[in-house]
Amino acid sequence: AQSVTQPDIHITVSEGASLELRCNYSYGATPYLFWYVQSPGQGLQLLLKYFSGDTLVQGIKGFEAEFKRSQSSFNLRKPSVHWSDAAEYFCAVGVPRSSGSARQLTFGSGTQLTVLP
Amino acid sequence: KAGVTQTPRYLIKTRGQQVTLSCSPISGHRSVSWYQQTPGQGLQFLFEYFSETQRNKGNFPGRFSGRQFSNSRSEMNVSTLELGDSALYLCASRDDTGELFFGEGSRLTVL
Repeated sequence: AQSVTQPDIHITVSEGASLELRCNYSYGATPYLFWYVQSPGQGLQLLLKYFSGDTLVQGIKGFEAEFKRSQSSFNLRKPSVHWSDAAEYFCAVGVPRSSGSARQLTFGSGTQLTVLP
Repeated sequence: KAGVTQTPRYLIKTRGQQVTLSCSPISGHRSVSWYQQTPGQGLQFLFEYFSETQRNKGNFPGRFSGRQFSNSRSEMNVSTLELGDSALYLCASRDDTGELFFGEGSRLTVL
């Protein structure tokens, strides 16, 4: 079975600083990989996803992530953080279906991001 | 296009009662998944329905059940509520690429 580890429970950065959130997965082949963001009292919003191809994926709100097969990682990055980025971030892995979509997702435990003014 | 709609947004129940939560997916989406989110366990997959059939099921007791109607709307039911069932229950509909679109959730408190 697949699993996802987000080693950082809480990260604090200053506004304008760069950000990297770590995500490691366990799966026998190349999974589908996702990053979601959740603001308080809200559902999850997809930031970006990786299915195949270019290992550097661009997402919404200026986020990007890089798939590194050798490290089983899919870290999320942003060059300059804005106060509105404060939220909880979830990495997720999905097992590919033959149809091309992902089976149910397994989520990491999340990383809470605090942004200092 | 309207997003995923979950009702009710908040509810309070007592132990032993049952609860039914509703989810209306994005128009045209035939797959609906349910997740339970708690501070201790994080996001856990409950089940997925596709064209009125349960396609996948997570590791939850039989007190948790669901169904999907012909219009793709879905309901989940929890019987004999326990304190540990207090959680945010998230519904997500899936498009043809597999991307999940989440609702804002139903926050259940069991007293």
